[in-house]
Amino acid sequence: EAQVTQNPRYLITVTGKKLTVTCSQNMNHEYMSWYRQDPGLGLRQIYYSMNVEVTDKGDVPEGYKVSRKEKRNFPLILESPSPNQTSLYFCASSLWGGDSLPEQYFGPGTRLTVT
Amino acid sequence: SQKIEQNSEALNIQEGKTATLTCNYTNYSPAYLQWYRQDPGRGPVFLLLIRENEKEKRKERLKVTFDTTLKQSLFHITASQPADSATYLCAFLNDYKLSFGAGTTVTVRA
Repeated sequence: EAQVTQNPRYLITVTGKKLTVTCSQNMNHEYMSWYRQDPGLGLRQIYYSMNVEVTDKGDVPEGYKVSRKEKRNFPLILESPSPNQTSLYFCASSLWGGDSLPEQYFGPGTRLTVT
Repeated sequence: SQKIEQNSEALNIQEGKTATLTCNYTNYSPAYLQWYRQDPGRGPVFLLLIRENEKEKRKERLKVTFDTTLKQSLFHITASQPADSATYLCAFLNDYKLSFGAGTTVTVRA
């Protein structure tokens, strides 16, 4: 089954404790990205990657890191989480058409609470 | 900076009626727009994509229009059903980044 998986689905942590949220897709997609979703603000892109070893900042990259060492995986790293990073996070993947981005497949989401 | 806005946060309609959602964008001319459906606590699911040279796109009871002069896309759900109740998001690609509107929550009453 074609899918995007994220782990963990729920996480409660404390300020400053480094954490990683994993994302994996089995569709051989080039484009992967991370979003956070907050009430009233909608989905905002954190980072995206157009292929292995190619990553770039989205609209809200501060406080986050990513890496793309393999095509299927795109982990999101919070080196020193803060309460304002409490949010619902989604990973997504898509084929990349060179100048177009067809439908994105989203993961189930990770609800992160930082106290 | 580029901005994408959806006309209202919530839309309540009677079953069988047509729901019309609006997506407006400023300071940019996207080559295409996407529409997604999101159910509570779940990831968005792709519905339709419309390109700038397409005036209208249909998929079953869904219809999307794209007016580059008005900088607006309209999303219609015809013959709405309670199962159509969800949040609908529009999005466009700008320099490899995908920007989403905040969404419109549709509630269809039986």
